Amino acid sequence: GENVEQHPSTLSVQEGDSAVIKCTYSDSASNYFPWYKQELGKRPQLIIDIRSNVGEKKDQRIAVTLNKTAKHFSLHITETQPEDSAVYFCAALSNAGGTSYGKLTFGQGTILTVHP
Amino acid sequence: DAGVTQSPTHLIKTRGQQVTLRCSPKSGHDTVSWYQQALGQGPQFIFQYYEEEERQRGNFPDRFSGHQFPNYSSELNVNALLLGDSALYLCASSWGRGYTFGSGTRLTVV
Repeated sequence: GENVEQHPSTLSVQEGDSAVIKCTYSDSASNYFPWYKQELGKRPQLIIDIRSNVGEKKDQRIAVTLNKTAKHFSLHITETQPEDSAVYFCAALSNAGGTSYGKLTFGQGTILTVHP
Repeated sequence: DAGVTQSPTHLIKTRGQQVTLRCSPKSGHDTVSWYQQALGQGPQFIFQYYEEEERQRGNFPDRFSGHQFPNYSSELNVNALLLGDSALYLCASSWGRGYTFGSGTRLTVV
């Protein structure tokens, strides 16, 4: 089955700096890679996603890159703010035939702390 | 409002007891997946329901079972609770690739 590794487990940056979180996956059939932000005691919230036919996607201060050959993808947050502090999870979706029968496999999470 | 509703929000049970957690999916979503999130860990896939059938299952024992109703809502049942079952249980509904998570049920087994 799919295995997703996420690094680093903790990341501390100063406000305004950039933050990068990296994930690798094992199943070459995985075709969708979402990133979730989870604040303490709350549900995971989708912040950005990328499909396997795209190499990069950007949404304001957040960007995701995907290298299918190397089977890794990364989250980039620029101009970090204290409210970006949370746990971030990467995930990979593998499914059969483009159906909704796939399952998300999550990384272990990265605790991001942005210091004012 | 994420559109996925889970109940109850918190639950305390004793070892050996049984528990039922409930999930109402987002409108228009036909697939429900359940995840277990232990403290400090990423969510782990338990199983997925579609058209009232279990479609996929993760590495969880048979003590974990579920059901999906005709209105797409779902239940997760756990029998013979162990201390290690203490976790946040997340329900995610989906249609295609779009997953929406509920706020979860915090289960504590004592």
